[in-house]
Amino acid sequence: GQQLNQSPQSMFIQEGEDVSMNCTSSSIFNTWLWYKQDPGEGPVLLIALYKAGELTSNGRLTAQFGITRKDSFLNISASIPSDVGIYFCAGRGDKLIFGTGTRLQVFP
Amino acid sequence: NAGVMQNPRHLVRRRGQEARLRCSPMKGHSHVYWYRQLPEEGLKFMVYLQKENIIDESGMPKERFSAEFPKEGPSILRIQQVVRGDSAAYFCASSPSQGVWGNYGYTFGSGTRLTVV
Repeated sequence: GQQLNQSPQSMFIQEGEDVSMNCTSSSIFNTWLWYKQDPGEGPVLLIALYKAGELTSNGRLTAQFGITRKDSFLNISASIPSDVGIYFCAGRGDKLIFGTGTRLQVFP
Repeated sequence: NAGVMQNPRHLVRRRGQEARLRCSPMKGHSHVYWYRQLPEEGLKFMVYLQKENIIDESGMPKERFSAEFPKEGPSILRIQQVVRGDSAAYFCASSPSQGVWGNYGYTFGSGTRLTVV
């Protein structure tokens, strides 16, 4: 079945640092999405990517949809404590397939 | 303009009991999706429903699990004769239409955390 692998699995960084995480797929997707999940809550959409090669920003977040349509990355610049959470990529076909998640911890 | 509403937020059941999880989609959304998240894992697709129709149940366990989305009322995920391995967070998401995206993906509810004791 379709599988999305995220790396790294977890990150421990200092406030103010930049963060980069990746997502790769065994299948092609036409839409890539990045979600953030806070403890005890559902995922919240951060960025949606619709075209191969597309680079999209949302505040301190930047994401790119890979040319091959099998990968994506998410960058967070100048991290702050509230960036703590789990970040999931998701590929959209006839349903959303989620990645394995990257757990981000930010220390002051 | 309420989002996706799930209830209860927390549910405790003894082994062998039934669990009923409810999901009311966002206003105007006619597509509902259920996902399960085991501790320390990602979200796994279970089932996709439209009003009165199951469209894709490829992620549903073959036994004890069922889902419905009636013409009136919320979508229900039902787990019969629960076992400890059913303990997880169950999330519901909704979207307006399969082919209509705008600039958003699915909208998720806050989930129901099921604990089987």
